[in-house]
Amino acid sequence: DIQMTQSPASLSASPEEIVTITCQASQDIGNWLAWYQQKPGKSPQLLIYSATSLADGIPSRFSGSRSGTQYSLKISRLQVEDTGIYYCLQRYSNPYTFGAGTKLELK
Amino acid sequence: QVTLKESGPGILQPSQTLSLTCTFSGFSLSTYGMGVGWIRQPSGKGLEWLANIWWDDDKYYNPSLKNRLTISKDTSNNQAFLKITNVDTADTATYYCARLTGGGGSFDYWGQGVMVTVSS
Repeated sequence: DIQMTQSPASLSASPEEIVTITCQASQDIGNWLAWYQQKPGKSPQLLIYSATSLADGIPSRFSGSRSGTQYSLKISRLQVEDTGIYYCLQRYSNPYTFGAGTKLELK
Repeated sequence: QVTLKESGPGILQPSQTLSLTCTFSGFSLSTYGMGVGWIRQPSGKGLEWLANIWWDDDKYYNPSLKNRLTISKDTSNNQAFLKITNVDTADTATYYCARLTGGGGSFDYWGQGVMVTVSS
């Protein structure tokens, strides 16, 4: 199975700050990487697909990048509504695997 | 407008079979490149992918549960199904279905989830 090592496990940041969450794949997964945001009691929401493509209706302050087997989600100009848990997902090969999640809180 | 909604038994006993239904609208599982997946999440924990079914009836399962999972679809009624046999308390979770698009896409629309408790 492909392991997705996500970091940090949690972070706290102030509004308007820039935050970055990363996922390290245990092997090459190409661009088969997506990012999700999940708020308490809600289902996950797609933010980024194909490593760098912004999903429909997602604010442009969210962006994804790739460097080799490391993938990053950057949130520019953090807003209060960005709190939640963020997950990466690889669907390069079965079984699809999620990162363990990053809990983002605002100061 | 794409929507998905899961339904299930709520509670069942160990060793029983869990049957879940995903009823969707706004897309067709007979359309090239479309799929539906099932993902679960124990309370307070992370996400686990379970299975996918595609427009051409291709099916993929998580090997960690493969022998216990069966995914199927009813294209005419816009439904997808997941059965999990021989459940135990570790299967207690919220179960989600989600639309899956081919190519570089991912799970782009999710249902609200259905909570399933396995308890004697």
